[in-house]
Amino acid sequence: EAGVAQSPRYKIIEKRQSVAFWCNPISGHATLYWYQQILGQGPKLLIQFQNNGVVDDSQLPKDRFSAERLKGVDSTLKIQPAKLEDSAVYLCASSFLTGYPRGEQFFGPGTRLTVL
Amino acid sequence: EDKVVQSPLSLVVHEGDTVTLNCSYEVTNFRSLLWYKQEKKAPTFLFMLTSSGIEKKSGRLSSILDKKELSSILNITATQTGDSAIYLCAGGYNNNDMRFGAGTRLTVKP
Repeated sequence: EAGVAQSPRYKIIEKRQSVAFWCNPISGHATLYWYQQILGQGPKLLIQFQNNGVVDDSQLPKDRFSAERLKGVDSTLKIQPAKLEDSAVYLCASSFLTGYPRGEQFFGPGTRLTVL
Repeated sequence: EDKVVQSPLSLVVHEGDTVTLNCSYEVTNFRSLLWYKQEKKAPTFLFMLTSSGIEKKSGRLSSILDKKELSSILNITATQTGDSAIYLCAGGYNNNDMRFGAGTRLTVKP
């Protein structure tokens, strides 16, 4: 079974530039998550989709971050404009089940973003 | 505010040692407690503990949930160098949301 795919694996940009990350979840997984993991911290949920609808985006900095999952499959996360504090690993995860009992989340390899 | 606290932050042991990692949580509408192992980048799932399953075991790894104390432990016996990783604890709540702790970095020396 193919895992969660993410690209690019690494990205270096200068502050105020824009960047986009792509994620393709495991086939059949209705729920997709984007996490931000800053060095030395645990992953922090940015946004959760169920199919193509947003379930939770309460921790997404909406002034600069946006995400979409138009056809309910793959998703893109964009940062515009980037700040130094956005340097982190961006993890995408997907799960088959929703609600309770909660389903296991499968994580992709992540994208390491460095903002100079 | 919901929070998950792990201790210790880092731990260095030798092969064959037994380790215990701790996790305490304060999560509104708590549903489950999950443990992940993170090597390089992608966390991989280890255990999920709920009120109906407060103890799990898989090989040398085991975990217990104490709902009264709002805490969980992850035990690893007979540690190997391949166990070196960051171990993440997460409190699951509401509709599949998880709040992660900062993790415990375990280093197992030969």
